[in-house]
Amino acid sequence: DTAVSQTPKYLVTQMGNDKSIKCEQNLGHDTMYWYKQDSKKFLKIMFSYNNKELIINETVPNRFSPKSPDKAHLNLHINSLELGDSAVYFCASSQDRTGGLDFGPGTRLTVT
Amino acid sequence: GEDVEQSLFLSVREGDSSVINCTYTDSSSTYLYWYKQEPGAGLQLLTYIFSNMDMKQDQRLTVLLNKKDKHLSLRIADTQTGDSAIYFCAESTGNAGKSTFGDGTTLTVKP
Repeated sequence: DTAVSQTPKYLVTQMGNDKSIKCEQNLGHDTMYWYKQDSKKFLKIMFSYNNKELIINETVPNRFSPKSPDKAHLNLHINSLELGDSAVYFCASSQDRTGGLDFGPGTRLTVT
Repeated sequence: GEDVEQSLFLSVREGDSSVINCTYTDSSSTYLYWYKQEPGAGLQLLTYIFSNMDMKQDQRLTVLLNKKDKHLSLRIADTQTGDSAIYFCAESTGNAGKSTFGDGTTLTVKP
């Protein structure tokens, strides 16, 4: 009965590698998001998709590329990983503009 | 741009009330949210309030909004050790995903 799920939960990789994080929601929501939480727990939006269309793209390096094959999935691909990319990445979804977000459990990315 | 501020730490004794405060700068904020994040977990929406409301109560949680001062508070009555977590305030002008989050208040409940 998981609402928003992400894989993997932990990801340890070396600088320069390319990696992907997958997200799926079974809530029937129209909008999905990626957030980044740094080591101080500060939370910043990265991307937002509504029905497979990109609607929010904050100032994020173009090494980060989201892909939404359908409205239940939003994946995040990261090229040429850097040390500063180490963080927890949260996927989230929402149905409308008022009710807040449903977050996934997070993916802890560590770049060595 | 929008800014949301919270104090970073709060410590209370079990059974006391906790009050977590938040201020925001965007006068067009329409929705204000409180989220809870337990260690190693994602954020969980606790409650939200529309800007045309002054107060919302849900069991042990009371949200107060002073729109004039752009001040939001979350009161937790009879605080329990299980309430220990980081609490995030967030505001939105109508697109929940474009919410601006505060930096989070770490609540520690001592037995």
